[in-house]
Amino acid sequence: DIQMTQSPSSLSASVGDRVTITCRASQSISTYLNWYQQKPGKAPKLLIYDTSTLKSGVPSRFSGSGSGTDFTLTISSLQLEDFATYSCQQSFSSRTFGQGTKVEVK
Amino acid sequence: QVQLQESGPGLVKPSETLSLTCTVSGGSVSDGSSYWSWIRQPPGKGLEWIGYISNSGRTNSNPSVESRLTMSVDTSKNHFSLRLTSVTAADTAMYYCARLIVPADCDVFDIWGQGTMVTVSS
Repeated sequence: DIQMTQSPSSLSASVGDRVTITCRASQSISTYLNWYQQKPGKAPKLLIYDTSTLKSGVPSRFSGSGSGTDFTLTISSLQLEDFATYSCQQSFSSRTFGQGTKVEVK
Repeated sequence: QVQLQESGPGLVKPSETLSLTCTVSGGSVSDGSSYWSWIRQPPGKGLEWIGYISNSGRTNSNPSVESRLTMSVDTSKNHFSLRLTSVTAADTAMYYCARLIVPADCDVFDIWGQGTMVTVSS
């Protein structure tokens, strides 16, 4: 099984901050990496797929990069509506998710 | 706009069978480009993919639950279902149905139901 490890598990930030979340795979997954946003009591929403492709309608302040085992989700200027939990997911071999990174208000 | 809605009992006794249904609206389970999936999230934990079923009934599932899992699709009712046998407290989770598509090299869960909480307890 491919394990996905996110860091940090949580972070505190302010509106306007640049935020970076890392996702590491236990083996190479090429670019088969997706990112989801989940707000409390809600279902996850797809943000980015195939490492760096934004789903239609997702603001351009979100970006993704990486390949192989190391991936990054960046929010260039954090907005109020971005406080949420972010999870990565690989689809190279079966499908597994990271444990999530909670972005909280500082 | 495709929407998904889970339904089923919120409480299941240990050793019994958990059964959930996901109704598709605004689209069709017969869509050959979609794979109808189940994902769960234990309280305070990360997401776990359970499995998917295609419109033709082809399935693929997580080895962690494969031996206890049955999935089916009913095109006449436009819904798909999950049955998980011999449940334990470890199966307590929010259960989501989701659509899996392949827009590029990788597949993605692009549409999710709102989720239904299932508690395993006597």
